[in-house]
Amino acid sequence: DIQMTQSPSSLSASVGDRVTITCRASQSISNRLAWYLQKPGKAPKLLIYKASSLESGVPSRFSGSGSGTEFTLTITSLQPDDFATYYCQQYDFYWTFGQGTKVEIK
Amino acid sequence: EVQLLESGGGLVQPGGSLRLSCAASGFTFSNYAMSWVRQAPGKGLEWVSIVIVSDDITYYADSVKGRFTISRDNSKNTLNLEMNSLRAEDTAVYYCAKMKGVGAYVPSDSWGHGTLVAVSS
Repeated sequence: DIQMTQSPSSLSASVGDRVTITCRASQSISNRLAWYLQKPGKAPKLLIYKASSLESGVPSRFSGSGSGTEFTLTITSLQPDDFATYYCQQYDFYWTFGQGTKVEIK
Repeated sequence: EVQLLESGGGLVQPGGSLRLSCAASGFTFSNYAMSWVRQAPGKGLEWVSIVIVSDDITYYADSVKGRFTISRDNSKNTLNLEMNSLRAEDTAVYYCAKMKGVGAYVPSDSWGHGTLVAVSS
């Protein structure tokens, strides 16, 4: 099984901050990686797919990068609506989610 | 607009069965793979099962293999999940999700609101 490890597990940030979340795969997954945002009590929402492709309707302050085993989600200027939990997901061999990164208000 | 509406969740005793359904609208259902993803209370996301455009090819997480069966009815735009031999660890919100393509090795680009399955005596 492919394991996905996100870091950090949580972080505190202020509106306007630049935020970076890392996701590491236990083996190479090429660019078959997605990022989701989830708010409490709500369904996940797709932000990024193929490691760096922005899903339609997602603000351009979200960006993704990486390939192989190391990936990054960056939010260039954190907005109030961005405080949530973020998950990475690999879909190269079956499907695995990372454990999540909770972004909280500082 | 894509809409996915899950139903069928509830409280069931260990060893019992439950059938979840997901009514899809707003897209050509028969053109997309579909999946079930669950989330235990306070925990992360776990994919459960995926079916491609026909019922011929299905995938299951090891944790549910042999107990759960995914199926789809393209004539009724409905996705189903038959769950048998339920265990306490199956307690979760179950989400229906549309895959971003015909095949299975793609992400999920639309999700339902979820239905809660609670397994307890």
